[in-house]
Amino acid sequence: AQTVTQSQPEMSVQEAETVTLSCTYDTSESDYYLFWYKQPPSRQMILVIRQEAYKQQNATENRFSVNFQKAAKSFSLKISDSQLGDAAMYFCAYWRSNYQLIWGAGTKLIIKP
Amino acid sequence: DSGVTQTPKHLITATGQRVTLRCSPRSGDLSVYWYQQSLDQGLQFLIQYYNGEERAKGNILERFSAQQFPDLHSELNLSSLELGDSALYFCASSVSAGVGQETQYFGPGTRLLVL
Repeated sequence: AQTVTQSQPEMSVQEAETVTLSCTYDTSESDYYLFWYKQPPSRQMILVIRQEAYKQQNATENRFSVNFQKAAKSFSLKISDSQLGDAAMYFCAYWRSNYQLIWGAGTKLIIKP
Repeated sequence: DSGVTQTPKHLITATGQRVTLRCSPRSGDLSVYWYQQSLDQGLQFLIQYYNGEERAKGNILERFSAQQFPDLHSELNLSSLELGDSALYFCASSVSAGVGQETQYFGPGTRLLVL
């Protein structure tokens, strides 16, 4: 069965610095998609970035980038120049071929001013 | 604002009761997804509807049911409620059948408290 593991329940970073959130997953599929979602205190789930498994190039979205290591089944999120508005829960998710998104337990990111 | 609306925002009820949560997808989106998020946990996929038909089923209890209407709005019915059903229930929508590259847009959620 597919699983998604986020081993860091909580991370903190100084404003303007860089932080990396970890995510590993387990799958026997070769074609899949990975996502990072952000959930601020408002509880709204917001897509941060998406990675297609068949693409070797790591996805980037402004200050957000991923390090996708397919063989290691690792999908980490790097946030550069952290801002106070980045404080939130971050969830890693895996899309499986039967149309389900499998979610990790989340990492709480704290930004220190 | 994602364009997905959910009502009500908050719901307080008693054990054994039945409630209905409503979701309106973004204009033009054909798929609706329901998720449950218990306190400080990740989301659990419950069910997906695509253009009125059930498309995928996750860990949805038999006490729960859902449907998608011809106008594409969806309702999640929760019956014989238990304390453990207290959670945040999210609805999401996507343009088509839900193939992996499609972005799912989430509503603000309905917070259910069962006393």
